[in-house]
Amino acid sequence: DVKVTQSSRYLVKRTGEKVFLECVQDMDHENMFWYRQDPGLGLRLIYFSYDVKMKEKGDIPEGYSVSREKKERFSLILESASTNQTSMYLCASEDLDSEAFFGQGTRLTVV
Amino acid sequence: KQEVTQIPAALSVPEGENLVLNCSFTDSAIYNLQWFRQDPGKGLTSLLLIQSSQREQTSGRLNASLDKSSGRSTLYIAASQPGDSATYLCAVAGSGYSTLTFGKGTMLLVSP
Repeated sequence: DVKVTQSSRYLVKRTGEKVFLECVQDMDHENMFWYRQDPGLGLRLIYFSYDVKMKEKGDIPEGYSVSREKKERFSLILESASTNQTSMYLCASEDLDSEAFFGQGTRLTVV
Repeated sequence: KQEVTQIPAALSVPEGENLVLNCSFTDSAIYNLQWFRQDPGKGLTSLLLIQSSQREQTSGRLNASLDKSSGRSTLYIAASQPGDSATYLCAVAGSGYSTLTFGKGTMLLVSP
C-alpha cells in the first residue's frame, strides 16, 4: 500500500520557534510538494521539488524554507513561527502521469 | 494564471440520489485533471485522474468527464451513500506538466 507519511498529526509551537515538518514517501516519486490549507482559501502551494536537492517556490513561500536531501524525504521549515502560520499543512508526492498522493496532514497551531 | 471554480460550494442530498459536482477552469491548456476526496481533518485521497487526451474516467460508482475546450469537468456519483459525505476537490495541472491548481471544493452531505 503506497504511503505518504507526515511526522506529526498535531503540533503546538510558540511564536518565534523554528519548526520542522517532515514528510516521507515510499513510492520512489520524483516530485514532492508542500501545501497549506485554510478555510475559505483552499490549498495553496508553498514549495515543491522535482529532484533531490532541488526546490522551487510555490505561491506562498514567504516565511518557509524546504530541504530535500534524500529522494523519499521532503522537509518544510518555518524559520521563525508566527501566528499567521497556524494552518493545516499537507505533503504530497507524484510522478509524471500519476495521481498525486497526500499525507494525512499536520495541524499546526502557533501560540 | 489558472483559476479553478467548483459549484456548488455545498450540497445536501438524501441517500440513493445520483448527483453531479461541477468544476470549471479558465485556461484550457491543461496536462491533466484530478478529482480528490477529503474527509474532515484528513489528507486528500485521489479518486480519478483524467489525462488531457481523455474524455472520461470511471471507478465504481464514480464517473468523471472532461471537456477541455469549454474548460469544464463533472464528477458524477451514482446511488449516493452516507459514506460519500466528504469534501470533493478538483485540481488541474497546466500544459507542459506543471503544479496542480485546486478549486475550493464542494462539501457533500448524504443523509440516510
